[in-house]
Amino acid sequence: AQKVTQAQTEISVVEKEDVTLDCVYETRDTTYYLFWYKQPPSGELVFLIRRNSFDEQNEISGRYSWNFQKSTSSFNFTITASQVVDSAVYFCALSEARTNAGKSTFGDGTTLTVKP
Amino acid sequence: ETGVTQSPTHLIKTRGQQVTLRCSSQSGHNTVSWYQQALGQGPQFIFQYYREEENGRGNFPPRFSGLQFPNYSSELNVNALELDDSALYLCASSPDRWLLYGYTFGSGTRLTVV
Repeated sequence: AQKVTQAQTEISVVEKEDVTLDCVYETRDTTYYLFWYKQPPSGELVFLIRRNSFDEQNEISGRYSWNFQKSTSSFNFTITASQVVDSAVYFCALSEARTNAGKSTFGDGTTLTVKP
Repeated sequence: ETGVTQSPTHLIKTRGQQVTLRCSSQSGHNTVSWYQQALGQGPQFIFQYYREEENGRGNFPPRFSGLQFPNYSSELNVNALELDDSALYLCASSPDRWLLYGYTFGSGTRLTVV
């Protein structure tokens, strides 16, 4: 069974601080996909990144970076020099290719508050 | 048409009633999934449709059913509503089954069962 754990329920930082959101996953499949989504106060989830299980390269996109480590089943998300607009709930999700790639299992999210 | 549009945005129903929630996806988005999101939790997968056929189902009872139409619209139907069905219902679509670009989500329908 697939499972995603986001142990940090809430994080509060001051603007310009760096912050890392943790995500740990469980799966028996060898081919799987990991995602991060952002849910701002408006409510609509916004896709940030997709990673497949064969690609362990870290990725950087502007102030965002992702660290994928299969050895620890983790897919962590770092925001560098955080801004107030980064305040949102962030979800990590997992899909398994063998069962149904379209069925994403989500963690319970981490609420990030960035204070000015 | 861009994005995913859901209607209505809010709905109040009485226990035992039936409800239909609607979703309009982008042209070309053949995959659509419905999720239930309780307050303070992550979205829970209800089911997925691909080219108008159900392609996977989560741990939801049969009173949750759906339809996908050729015009990229879809419906979620819930019969015999229970108080625990109160939640935000999210429609999500993708142009492919492998979610190469993740899902595009709608803003959701907030259902309250009283």
